[in-house]
Amino acid sequence: NFMLTQPHSVSESPGKTVTISCTGTGYSIASNYVQWNQQRPGSAPTTVIYEDNRRPSGVPDRFSGSLDISSNSASLTISGLKTEDEADYYCQTFDGNNWLFGGGTKLTVL
Amino acid sequence: EVQLVESGGGLVQPGRSLRVSCAASGFTFDDYAMHWVRQGPGKGLEWVSSISWNSNKIVYADSVKGRFTISRDNTKNSMYLQMNNLRPEDTALYYCAKGSTGYISTWWGYWGQGTPVTVSS
Repeated sequence: NFMLTQPHSVSESPGKTVTISCTGTGYSIASNYVQWNQQRPGSAPTTVIYEDNRRPSGVPDRFSGSLDISSNSASLTISGLKTEDEADYYCQTFDGNNWLFGGGTKLTVL
Repeated sequence: EVQLVESGGGLVQPGRSLRVSCAASGFTFDDYAMHWVRQGPGKGLEWVSSISWNSNKIVYADSVKGRFTISRDNTKNSMYLQMNNLRPEDTALYYCAKGSTGYISTWWGYWGQGTPVTVSS
């Protein structure tokens, strides 16, 4: 079965850059697009990256997405960290029959 | 403005049924696929089910297959999730989400605020 694995947590200081990984097992992550979702505490998720590296309107360009075929992983990079970026981040993809979410990564900005 | 409003959640005993709804506005509902996702207490997101714009393509997570039924009424701009034979592990906040096209395989753009379902005796 295809799985998406994310680090449980990451932390970084305001103004710095952080990268969150999403590693696929049992399937090629390049076979379908990856989406990234942000969920602030107590709120519904919102989409911050779709189709691997595209941003919905309203999402700042501090957010970027990429793929690394060699490691079968996707990454979300947030530059110029702000305290408002503190949230859970989930990667997501469609394997042809089902949608899959990674386990989520808690980003702490301290 | 796109709005997705879930309703119908509540407390239900194990083995019983419940139907949750998602009312959509601010876009042409029958042009888009729709999805259900749930989040258990303190847990991550779990995809539940998806339905294409014309209901011709429907898929379910293995954890709910045979117990849950997704449907939509394009005349009412609404989507539903009929949940039968509920189990305590179905306890979660249930979100609906809007796809970016009529096909279930494309990215999701908007999420509702969720409706809570608690399965307990």
